[in-house]
Amino acid sequence: AQSVTQPDIHITVSEGASLELRCNYSYGATPYLFWYVQSPGQGLQLLLKYFSGDTLVQGIKGFEAEFKRSQSSFNLRKPSVHWSDAAEYFCAVGASGGSYIPTFGRGTSLIVHP
Amino acid sequence: DAGVIQSPRHEVTEMGQEVTLRCKPISGHDYLFWYRQTMMRGLELLIYFNNNVPIDDSGMPEDRFSAKMPNASFSTLKIQPSEPRDSAVYFCASSSFEGRNTEAFFGQGTRLTVV
Repeated sequence: AQSVTQPDIHITVSEGASLELRCNYSYGATPYLFWYVQSPGQGLQLLLKYFSGDTLVQGIKGFEAEFKRSQSSFNLRKPSVHWSDAAEYFCAVGASGGSYIPTFGRGTSLIVHP
Repeated sequence: DAGVIQSPRHEVTEMGQEVTLRCKPISGHDYLFWYRQTMMRGLELLIYFNNNVPIDDSGMPEDRFSAKMPNASFSTLKIQPSEPRDSAVYFCASSSFEGRNTEAFFGQGTRLTVV
């Protein structure tokens, strides 16, 4: 069965600083990988996704993520964080063949200091 | 498209009452998911449908929970009787597995409080 680990429950950064949120997955084959963002009181919005090909994926709002098969990781990065980036971030993994059911990590809460 | 639409946004009910949550998926999507989000357990998949047919309900916590999808544009999640431990945010999501367009689109959720 597939699973996702987000080791950091909370991350605090200063506005303008760089950001990296960690995500490790467990899946027997090449996975589909996703990052979602959830603002307070809102649903989840897709930031970016990886299916195949280039391991560095660009997303919305200036985010990017890199798929590293050797490390079973899909870390999310942003070079300069804005106060509006404060939210909950979820990594998800889906099977690459057959039916696709997204399995989510526990999430990382991003706090941005001015 | 207006996206996935859930109603109500907030629901407060007394223990023992029946609660029905509603979801309208994105038109053309053939997969529908119900998730529950709590602080303790995060996002849990409760059940999912493919072409209106329930495929996997192993995440439904107990027999008090039931879900239906009578047609491609409507689904319900019912809790009867409700208990305080059912308090959570319930999300509906839909998807269409077409090539690279396989991400799930989420509604804004229903915040359920059982008192």
